[in-house]
Amino acid sequence: DSGVTQTPKHLITATGQRVTLRCSPRSGDLSVYWYQQSLDQGLQFLIQYYNGEERAKGNILERFSAQQFPDLHSELNLSSLELGDSALYFCASSVGLRDREAFFGQGTRLTVV
Amino acid sequence: AQSVTQLDSQVPVFEEAPVELRCNYSSSVSVYLFWYVQYPNQGLQLLLKYLSGSTLVKGINGFEAEFNKSQTSFHLRKPSVHISDTAEYFCAVDTGNQFYFGTGTSLTVIP
Repeated sequence: DSGVTQTPKHLITATGQRVTLRCSPRSGDLSVYWYQQSLDQGLQFLIQYYNGEERAKGNILERFSAQQFPDLHSELNLSSLELGDSALYFCASSVGLRDREAFFGQGTRLTVV
Repeated sequence: AQSVTQLDSQVPVFEEAPVELRCNYSSSVSVYLFWYVQYPNQGLQLLLKYLSGSTLVKGINGFEAEFNKSQTSFHLRKPSVHISDTAEYFCAVDTGNQFYFGTGTSLTVIP
């Protein structure tokens, strides 16, 4: 158990809908990262938050957004969902901004039908 | 643009044999390098990392990797694999601004 909790574990939704994925980092970790893992794109970095502020942005679509709350949990919002958004979404956390020794959650498997 | 290339998508190897999983990256700046392992239906787990210092890095589960700056490589090795090493292995590069993963190498250990 990495200490990073992601909910829900599985999510099935229709195209055009909006979903929210939730991540609770390890106790004491200030950085939260979001990744998307799909068969055709592999594992892609989406976005990083550190202590409530956005610090790095990767290949995140404009339809997607994230935030980190004062209690350090984070949410990834995916809207106007398309079939191609079906993927495994991972959250990871680390203590610092740059130490990058990130601990991963078990992921949320999103299926868009 | 940064890229991380894992040259082998699948590597079958017999139990107790040595294995090398190859990783090359393209970067003109200093990078941090990582290897992660993903067991079926699980998240990624850090195997080892290179931040600075000795180019030979030892990680968990008997794995090690060597950073070669001139060849921009960070190959992962284990002298004797076990059945439990069957998993997907990802090489990753941190440029300081972004984190890039390779496409993964599926290691299958054959009894």
